[in-house]
Amino acid sequence: DAGITQSPRHKVTETGTPVTLRCHQTENHRYMYWYRQDPGHGLRLIHYSYGVKDTDKGEVSDGYSVSRSKTEDFLLTLESATSSQTSVYFCAISITSGGSYEQYFGPGTRLTVT
Amino acid sequence: AQSVSQHNHHVILSEAASLELGCNYSYGGTVNLFWYVQYPGQHLQLLLKYFSGDPLVKGIKGFEAEFIKSKFSFNLRKPSVQWSDTAEYFCAVNAPRTYKYIFGTGTRLKVLA
Repeated sequence: DAGITQSPRHKVTETGTPVTLRCHQTENHRYMYWYRQDPGHGLRLIHYSYGVKDTDKGEVSDGYSVSRSKTEDFLLTLESATSSQTSVYFCAISITSGGSYEQYFGPGTRLTVT
Repeated sequence: AQSVSQHNHHVILSEAASLELGCNYSYGGTVNLFWYVQYPGQHLQLLLKYFSGDPLVKGIKGFEAEFIKSKFSFNLRKPSVQWSDTAEYFCAVNAPRTYKYIFGTGTRLKVLA
Protein backbone atom coordinates (compact mmCIF):
# COMPACT_ATOMS: atom_id res chain seq x y z
CA ASP A 1 0.00 0.00 0.00
CA ALA A 2 3.08 2.26 -0.34
CA GLY A 3 2.69 3.43 3.25
CA ILE A 4 -0.15 5.86 2.62
CA THR A 5 -2.78 6.58 5.23
CA GLN A 6 -5.70 8.95 5.12
CA SER A 7 -7.68 10.44 7.95
CA PRO A 8 -10.46 10.51 8.68
CA ARG A 9 -11.77 7.57 6.70
CA HIS A 10 -15.35 8.72 6.95
CA LYS A 11 -16.78 12.12 7.74
CA VAL A 12 -20.19 13.71 7.74
CA THR A 13 -20.29 17.46 7.94
CA GLU A 14 -22.73 20.28 7.41
CA THR A 15 -22.82 22.74 4.56
CA GLY A 16 -20.68 25.76 5.25
CA THR A 17 -18.28 24.14 7.69
CA PRO A 18 -14.56 23.86 7.02
CA VAL A 19 -13.12 20.37 6.62
CA THR A 20 -9.53 19.17 6.48
CA LEU A 21 -8.48 15.79 5.19
CA ARG A 22 -5.04 14.46 5.88
CA CYS A 23 -2.81 12.26 3.78
CA HIS A 24 0.28 10.81 5.40
CA GLN A 25 3.07 8.85 3.76
CA THR A 26 5.98 7.15 5.42
CA GLU A 27 8.42 6.76 2.52
CA ASN A 28 9.52 10.32 1.77
CA HIS A 29 8.03 10.51 -1.73
CA ARG A 30 8.18 13.85 -3.43
CA TYR A 31 4.95 13.86 -5.40
CA MET A 32 1.55 13.70 -3.73
CA TYR A 33 -1.92 14.14 -5.14
CA TRP A 34 -5.51 14.63 -4.10
CA TYR A 35 -8.28 13.21 -6.29
CA ARG A 36 -11.98 12.99 -5.92
CA GLN A 37 -13.95 10.05 -7.24
CA ASP A 38 -17.54 10.42 -8.36
CA PRO A 39 -19.76 8.04 -10.30
CA GLY A 40 -19.50 8.66 -14.02
CA HIS A 41 -16.48 10.93 -13.64
CA GLY A 42 -13.73 8.55 -12.65
CA LEU A 43 -10.91 10.23 -10.77
CA ARG A 44 -10.39 13.94 -11.09
CA LEU A 45 -7.31 15.71 -9.86
CA ILE A 46 -7.92 18.43 -7.28
CA HIS A 47 -4.40 19.52 -6.33
CA TYR A 48 -0.96 18.04 -6.37
CA SER A 49 2.37 18.72 -4.73
CA TYR A 50 5.88 18.31 -6.04
CA GLY A 51 7.67 19.15 -2.81
CA VAL A 52 7.35 20.87 0.53
CA LYS A 53 5.39 24.08 0.04
CA ASP A 54 5.22 23.39 -3.71
CA THR A 55 1.68 22.79 -4.86
CA ASP A 56 -0.39 23.34 -7.95
CA LYS A 57 -3.98 23.12 -9.08
CA GLY A 58 -5.62 20.25 -10.84
CA GLU A 59 -8.75 20.22 -12.96
CA VAL A 60 -11.30 20.62 -10.13
CA SER A 61 -9.55 22.86 -7.62
CA ASP A 62 -12.31 25.40 -6.98
CA GLY A 63 -13.40 25.31 -3.35
CA TYR A 64 -10.32 23.40 -2.23
CA SER A 65 -6.95 24.41 -0.86
CA VAL A 66 -3.93 22.34 0.10
CA SER A 67 -0.86 22.63 2.22
CA ARG A 68 2.33 20.66 2.53
CA SER A 69 4.54 21.89 5.32
CA LYS A 70 6.49 18.64 5.57
CA THR A 71 7.22 15.85 3.12
CA GLU A 72 5.07 13.24 4.77
CA ASP A 73 1.82 15.19 5.06
CA PHE A 74 -0.45 16.64 2.39
CA LEU A 75 -3.58 18.34 3.69
CA LEU A 76 -6.72 19.06 1.70
CA THR A 77 -9.05 21.74 3.04
CA LEU A 78 -12.59 22.51 2.02
CA GLU A 79 -12.91 26.07 3.20
CA SER A 80 -16.70 26.00 3.29
CA ALA A 81 -18.10 22.60 2.42
CA THR A 82 -20.93 22.31 -0.10
CA SER A 83 -23.12 19.36 -1.01
CA SER A 84 -21.37 19.13 -4.38
CA GLN A 85 -18.22 18.20 -2.51
CA THR A 86 -19.78 14.99 -1.22
CA SER A 87 -17.40 12.45 -2.68
CA VAL A 88 -14.72 9.90 -2.01
CA TYR A 89 -11.31 11.53 -1.76
CA PHE A 90 -8.15 9.63 -2.58
CA CYS A 91 -4.62 10.64 -1.88
CA ALA A 92 -1.87 9.26 -4.08
CA ILE A 93 1.88 9.33 -4.35
CA SER A 94 4.10 8.86 -7.39
CA ILE A 95 7.07 6.56 -7.40
CA THR A 96 9.74 6.73 -10.04
CA SER A 97 9.91 3.58 -12.11
CA GLY A 98 11.94 3.07 -15.26
CA GLY A 99 12.03 6.72 -16.25
CA SER A 100 8.42 7.43 -15.48
CA TYR A 101 6.12 7.42 -12.54
CA GLU A 102 3.65 5.00 -11.03
CA GLN A 103 0.89 6.15 -8.76
CA TYR A 104 -0.17 4.41 -5.61
CA PHE A 105 -3.32 5.29 -3.75
CA GLY A 106 -4.39 5.63 -0.18
CA PRO A 107 -7.50 3.94 1.22
CA GLY A 108 -9.77 6.94 0.63
CA THR A 109 -11.95 9.24 2.70
CA ARG A 110 -15.69 9.19 2.23
CA LEU A 111 -17.02 12.69 2.84
CA THR A 112 -20.70 13.50 3.07
CA VAL A 113 -21.83 17.11 3.20
CA THR A 114 -25.41 17.48 4.43
CA ALA B 1 -5.71 18.46 -23.95
CA GLN B 2 -5.10 14.90 -22.98
CA SER B 3 -8.12 12.70 -22.47
CA VAL B 4 -8.89 9.06 -21.88
CA SER B 5 -12.04 7.34 -23.06
CA GLN B 6 -13.46 4.13 -21.73
CA HIS B 7 -16.47 3.37 -23.85
CA ASN B 8 -17.81 0.45 -21.85
CA HIS B 9 -19.31 1.84 -18.67
CA HIS B 10 -20.90 -1.37 -17.44
CA VAL B 11 -20.04 -4.91 -18.45
CA ILE B 12 -21.71 -8.07 -17.21
CA LEU B 13 -20.14 -11.44 -17.92
CA SER B 14 -20.52 -14.98 -16.76
CA GLU B 15 -17.61 -16.77 -15.17
CA ALA B 16 -15.16 -18.21 -17.68
CA ALA B 17 -16.14 -15.69 -20.34
CA SER B 18 -13.43 -13.67 -22.01
CA LEU B 19 -13.02 -10.00 -21.22
CA GLU B 20 -11.91 -7.04 -23.26
CA LEU B 21 -12.26 -3.50 -21.97
CA GLY B 22 -11.54 -0.65 -24.30
CA CYS B 23 -9.34 2.35 -23.58
CA ASN B 24 -8.48 5.10 -26.03
CA TYR B 25 -6.43 8.16 -25.32
CA SER B 26 -5.75 11.41 -27.07
CA TYR B 27 -2.21 12.66 -26.80
CA GLY B 28 0.21 13.38 -29.57
CA GLY B 29 3.43 12.30 -27.93
CA THR B 30 4.88 9.34 -26.13
CA VAL B 31 2.75 8.17 -23.25
CA ASN B 32 2.82 5.81 -20.36
CA LEU B 33 -0.34 3.77 -19.91
CA PHE B 34 -1.86 2.13 -16.89
CA TRP B 35 -4.78 0.02 -15.85
CA TYR B 36 -6.00 0.19 -12.28
CA VAL B 37 -8.57 -1.99 -10.55
CA GLN B 38 -10.80 -0.98 -7.68
CA TYR B 39 -12.55 -3.77 -5.81
CA PRO B 40 -15.73 -2.82 -3.98
CA GLY B 41 -14.99 -0.59 -1.03
CA GLN B 42 -11.27 -0.49 -1.70
CA HIS B 43 -8.75 1.89 -3.18
CA LEU B 44 -7.26 1.72 -6.66
CA GLN B 45 -4.54 -0.83 -7.24
CA LEU B 46 -2.15 -0.95 -10.16
CA LEU B 47 -3.03 -3.84 -12.48
CA LEU B 48 -0.46 -3.32 -15.21
CA LYS B 49 1.49 -0.64 -17.00
CA TYR B 50 3.13 0.10 -20.31
CA PHE B 51 6.17 2.33 -20.60
CA SER B 52 7.99 1.04 -23.69
CA GLY B 53 9.05 -2.15 -25.47
CA ASP B 54 6.75 -5.10 -26.04
CA PRO B 55 3.28 -3.67 -26.65
CA LEU B 56 1.68 -6.69 -25.02
CA VAL B 57 2.04 -6.34 -21.28
CA LYS B 58 1.05 -8.78 -18.62
CA GLY B 59 -0.17 -7.80 -15.22
CA ILE B 60 -1.38 -9.42 -12.09
CA LYS B 61 -4.22 -11.94 -11.81
CA GLY B 62 -3.99 -13.07 -15.44
CA PHE B 63 -4.74 -9.69 -16.99
CA GLU B 64 -2.94 -8.38 -20.03
CA ALA B 65 -3.19 -5.30 -22.21
CA GLU B 66 -2.08 -4.45 -25.71
CA PHE B 67 -0.80 -1.05 -26.74
CA ILE B 68 -1.67 -0.22 -30.33
CA LYS B 69 -0.02 3.08 -31.12
CA SER B 70 -1.78 3.60 -34.45
CA LYS B 71 -5.15 3.30 -32.76
CA PHE B 72 -4.22 5.20 -29.58
CA SER B 73 -5.59 2.25 -27.68
CA PHE B 74 -4.62 0.21 -24.65
CA ASN B 75 -7.28 -2.45 -24.23
CA LEU B 76 -7.40 -4.72 -21.22
CA ARG B 77 -8.01 -8.44 -21.68
CA LYS B 78 -8.45 -11.58 -19.68
CA PRO B 79 -9.17 -14.95 -21.30
CA SER B 80 -11.40 -16.29 -18.54
CA VAL B 81 -12.90 -14.08 -15.84
CA GLN B 82 -13.73 -15.13 -12.33
CA TRP B 83 -16.38 -13.92 -9.92
CA SER B 84 -13.59 -12.27 -7.93
CA ASP B 85 -12.82 -9.99 -10.90
CA THR B 86 -15.96 -8.04 -10.15
CA ALA B 87 -14.61 -4.53 -9.77
CA GLU B 88 -14.25 -1.19 -11.47
CA TYR B 89 -11.41 -0.78 -13.92
CA PHE B 90 -9.72 2.50 -14.78
CA CYS B 91 -7.40 3.31 -17.62
CA ALA B 92 -4.90 6.15 -17.11
CA VAL B 93 -2.26 7.94 -19.13
CA ASN B 94 0.64 10.20 -18.39
CA ALA B 95 3.47 11.66 -20.40
CA PRO B 96 6.92 10.36 -19.49
CA ARG B 97 8.77 12.28 -16.79
CA THR B 98 5.67 14.25 -15.93
CA TYR B 99 3.73 13.85 -12.77
CA LYS B 100 0.18 14.41 -13.95
CA TYR B 101 -2.16 11.61 -14.84
CA ILE B 102 -5.43 11.55 -16.72
CA PHE B 103 -7.94 8.86 -15.81
CA GLY B 104 -10.82 7.45 -17.76
CA THR B 105 -14.28 7.38 -16.23
CA GLY B 106 -14.02 3.69 -15.42
CA THR B 107 -15.72 0.46 -16.45
CA ARG B 108 -17.74 -1.39 -13.88
CA LEU B 109 -17.43 -5.15 -14.40
CA LYS B 110 -19.80 -7.61 -12.84
CA VAL B 111 -19.05 -11.30 -13.15
CA LEU B 112 -21.91 -13.68 -12.51
CA ALA B 113 -21.10 -16.92 -10.73
